[in-house]
Amino acid sequence: NAGVTQTPKFQVLKTGQSMTLQCAQDMNHEYMSWYRQDPGMGLRLIHYSVGAGITDQGEVPNGYNVSRSTTEDFPLRLLSAAPSQTSVYFCASSYNDRVQGTQYFGPGTRLLVL
Amino acid sequence: GNSVTQMEGPVTLSEEAFLTINCTYTATGYPSLFWYVQYPGEGLQLLLKATKADDKGSNKGFEATYRKETTSFHLEKGSVQVSDSAVYFCALSPGNTPLVFGKGTRLSVIA
Repeated sequence: NAGVTQTPKFQVLKTGQSMTLQCAQDMNHEYMSWYRQDPGMGLRLIHYSVGAGITDQGEVPNGYNVSRSTTEDFPLRLLSAAPSQTSVYFCASSYNDRVQGTQYFGPGTRLLVL
Repeated sequence: GNSVTQMEGPVTLSEEAFLTINCTYTATGYPSLFWYVQYPGEGLQLLLKATKADDKGSNKGFEATYRKETTSFHLEKGSVQVSDSAVYFCALSPGNTPLVFGKGTRLSVIA
């Protein structure tokens, strides 16, 4: 099993550009989530999904879109990048939302918005 | 609401020293509690967990006990190694709602 994979590892964007951060898992997990990690802020939840076709907002959803068309994939879209979105982004998954405290994290995508 | 407060770092210790990282929580109901660890350049990984009061989670020499009376879940290790240098996150899961993380505590262990 590859676990949770994320691409790209690193990306530089200009303000106003859009991009999609990819996340995939091969563990047949129902629950997937996106976090951003900023210095001194810990991890903050952006969006999450309890299954294919179902998504919901987390703590900091503004400026981001998600969709969940398959169990395996959960892409995160930045609609119009802003410097405040400079961060490290982590995707995570768990078997289902009833045990979503036990999450498997991807290696992260480091995003720099100029 | 649900929240986690953990001691601010960074924490610097010599090898073989005793480690305590404090974590307290606020939650409705009976949450499960977790410690995650993030090694440099990597994602988070689950270190240990406890699902009910008085449970003790343990892994890799680390321990934490779920104390409902003090709403705490302090992380301890009797003798740290250089390889334990990482950022440690306390977290709680209130049930069918998203995991809530603390801000993390950076540990540096020097030889």
